[in-house]
Formats: sequence, C-alpha cells, structure tokens
Amino acid sequence: KQEVTQIPAALSVPEGENLVLNCSFTDSAIYNLQWFRQDPGKGLTSLLLIQSSQREQTSGRLNASLDKSSGRSTLYIAASQPGDSATYLCAVLPANQAGTALIFGKGTTLSVSS
Amino acid sequence: DGGITQSPKYLFRKEGQNVTLSCEQNLNHDAMYWYRQDPGQGLRLIYYSQIVNDFQKGDIAEGYSVSREKKESFPLTVTSAQKNPTAFYLCASSIKSGGGEQYFGPGTRLTVT
Repeated sequence: KQEVTQIPAALSVPEGENLVLNCSFTDSAIYNLQWFRQDPGKGLTSLLLIQSSQREQTSGRLNASLDKSSGRSTLYIAASQPGDSATYLCAVLPANQAGTALIFGKGTTLSVSS
Repeated sequence: DGGITQSPKYLFRKEGQNVTLSCEQNLNHDAMYWYRQDPGQGLRLIYYSQIVNDFQKGDIAEGYSVSREKKESFPLTVTSAQKNPTAFYLCASSIKSGGGEQYFGPGTRLTVT
C-alpha cells in the first residue's frame, strides 16, 4: 500500500533563507505528485503538479523535483518570506489503482520569522 | 470566478443527528472527492465520484453517504453511525479521475457534541 512521508514535521527559519522540504513515497508507480499549501483553518492551495514523466516544475520562488525511481520529491523555496509560513503537503496519485484519489503525507509546518 | 464552494464553514450538531455538507464546483470537472482531515494526520479519502450517478468508497467510508445527481454537486452526509465525526472536511475536484490536478474547496469544520 502506498505511503507518503514528509520530513521534517516542522521547520523554523529566518526570513531570506533558502529551504528544502522533503517527501518520500513507497511505491514508484504514480501518475503524478502534487504539492499543496494549507493555511490554518483553510483549504488546500495547489502549488505545483509534477507528472510522472517529468523531473521538475517551477513556479516563481518554488521548485519541485521528482525522482520516481528513488521515491522522492523535494520542494525548494528560495528567499523565504514570513508570508510563506504555512503547512506544506505532498500527495501522490497511484498509477496502479484506477480511479483512486490522492494519498497524502502529514505535512511540514513551516514558520518563517522576520 | 471558477472554483469550489463548501458550506457551511462551521457546523455544530448534537450526537445522533445526521448532517449534510455541501460541495459545489463550476469548473466543469468530472471527478469529485471528499477527504477528512484530523490533527496530526494526513488527509484521508471518504468517497469519490468519477462521473454523475457514480461513486465509490474511499478508505474511511463507514458512517458516511454521498450522492452525485448533478455534475456540479457532491454532498456528503455524516450519519449517526460515524463514531468520531468531529473533523475538518475538504471537498476536491479534478477534470477527470486518475491523472488531473486536484483543486480543493475551503473546507467545513464539523463539531459534534
């Protein structure tokens, strides 16, 4: 059964730092991997979607990579800002189960201090 | 504006009562999903629907029911059979099941006392 793990569970950094959030998954048979942001008490905002055939995706200060063979993805945030403080969730869509939904990690809660 | 709406934002119910959470989307998406989020846990799938008049159970469907009579709407009923209904409920949709990017609504926080 596919499992998704995110390390660390929490991270605190000063403003301006570049940082990396990690996501690992146990089964490399995936359609895609999605990174989300969640603010307290809010829904999820999609940040980046990486298809299984892709190695990385970029949006502004965010860059997500995917290494399917090793079951890993990283989300790189450049020049962090206090407004980046949130919980970041990684989720994979399994390829070997038709019509199923995303499987999520428990998230990394990021705090950026000014 | 296209998007997913969930109502209400907060819902309070007494134990033993059924309650229905609303989810509407105007993205013309075929697939819709319900997830439950508890503190310290990842999101868990309750039900999903690939097309109108069709839906399948997810990992934690016991005590829940859904319907998909219209493409735009996927309401979730939390029945009295659900042992621990207090949670944050999130609805999502994707253009199709099995590959598309998922978009989420703002969520409904249900408290049962």
